[in-house]
Amino acid sequence: KAGVTQTPRYLIKTRGQQVTLSCSPISGHRSVSWYQQTPGQGLQFLFEYFSETQRNKGNFPGRFSGRQFSNSRSEMNVSTLELGDSALYLCASNPGGLNEQFFGPGTRLTVL
Amino acid sequence: GENVEQHPSTLSVQEGDSAVIKCTYSDSASNYFPWYKQELGKRPQLIIDIRSNVGEKKDQRIAVTLNKTAKHFSLHITETQPEDSAVYFCAPEGGANNLFFGTGTRLTVIP
Repeated sequence: KAGVTQTPRYLIKTRGQQVTLSCSPISGHRSVSWYQQTPGQGLQFLFEYFSETQRNKGNFPGRFSGRQFSNSRSEMNVSTLELGDSALYLCASNPGGLNEQFFGPGTRLTVL
Repeated sequence: GENVEQHPSTLSVQEGDSAVIKCTYSDSASNYFPWYKQELGKRPQLIIDIRSNVGEKKDQRIAVTLNKTAKHFSLHITETQPEDSAVYFCAPEGGANNLFFGTGTRLTVIP
């Protein structure tokens, strides 16, 4: 099976812009989670989607949003970008339930 | 949400020695306790996990022990090798399929 893929891999934006990141899960996986990774902060949970419904949400402002399509592909949107949004954004998929999370390679976002 | 603390934040060991990383969590309802390894420039990967109905699990040189009463679990790596050098994250479950990652432990194995 193909692994989790994320596009784009790198992105440079300026403050105030918005950005959309995409994640394609492993075939058959219905759960997609998003994480923000910054040096010293580990991986911070953004949200999780299962069968097109947001099932869990972390403590991030409303500028961060997401959605999941019927084919389980997921997108994450960040509006009104701030310098502090610069990070590696990782998505992970699993079939559902408490099981191994399979991570994608990440999208590195730089906000100037 | 789950409060997760991981110690130590950095750890250096000589090749062949053992390494232990401890993770404490706050949610007594947590039932799933995984450890992930992230090598430099790569994605995190699960190395071992344990569920609340067992106290210890081993997989070759890696083991995880769980103390639900004290709300902590630990990663044990024996006979460390240079390829064990990486950042290790604990990620106790804090709700339905919701993992709370610790801030990571950077392990360096000195040849």
